[in-house]
Amino acid sequence: QQQVKQSPQSLIVQKGGIPIINCAYENTAFDYFPWYQQFPGKGPALLIAIRPDVSEKKEGRFTISFNKSAKQFSLHIMDSQPGDSATYFCAASAKGFYFGTGTSLTVIP
Amino acid sequence: KAGVTQTPRYLIKTRGQQVTLSCSPISGHRSVSWYQQTPGQGLQFLFEYFSETQRNKGNFPGRFSGRQFSNSRSEMNVSTLELGDSALYLCASSLGTRQTGELFFGEGSRLTVL
Repeated sequence: QQQVKQSPQSLIVQKGGIPIINCAYENTAFDYFPWYQQFPGKGPALLIAIRPDVSEKKEGRFTISFNKSAKQFSLHIMDSQPGDSATYFCAASAKGFYFGTGTSLTVIP
Repeated sequence: KAGVTQTPRYLIKTRGQQVTLSCSPISGHRSVSWYQQTPGQGLQFLFEYFSETQRNKGNFPGRFSGRQFSNSRSEMNVSTLELGDSALYLCASSLGTRQTGELFFGEGSRLTVL
């Protein structure tokens, strides 16, 4: 059973576009929601994270929006660049980390 | 500061065999967790060790086991391999003082079961 549901599975945007990746969870014990970025042949690396007492967090071009009542959170990438092409994973943590199935993002120059 | 090191990077086994994977965490990190990555399933949590004790466990069968040594290095063992065990196995380390916080991943061990 997938504890964190992520969509879409893949996404193609033009350079400068704003890709949005969505995640949903059921377990209200989750108290930490990170996003990880993975390039081919590499392990995932932390991109940005949020805790449920905050509704939005921005770090550079990356923004997490968090809706506690709906149990949903999303990643927005402003002014996307070809170098952002990677696989993105949302995750939720309580005792252990539970990851979404990943979104393959392609940014076309 | 050296990152998380996983060995071996690639290995091929046949059904029924067993395999042991190794993970050396970042110096000073006391938590090591293991994940199975397959296309379409994302990263599935296997287990987490902190100070040589299994602190959390995912929903994998008992064929998957692990341990952590006093120097925080960890090993993962899979016995009686099945074709479906073919995957990238990722290890991550963290300071571990809280059960949330940044995970630092290695590049993984890619296991192929024939």
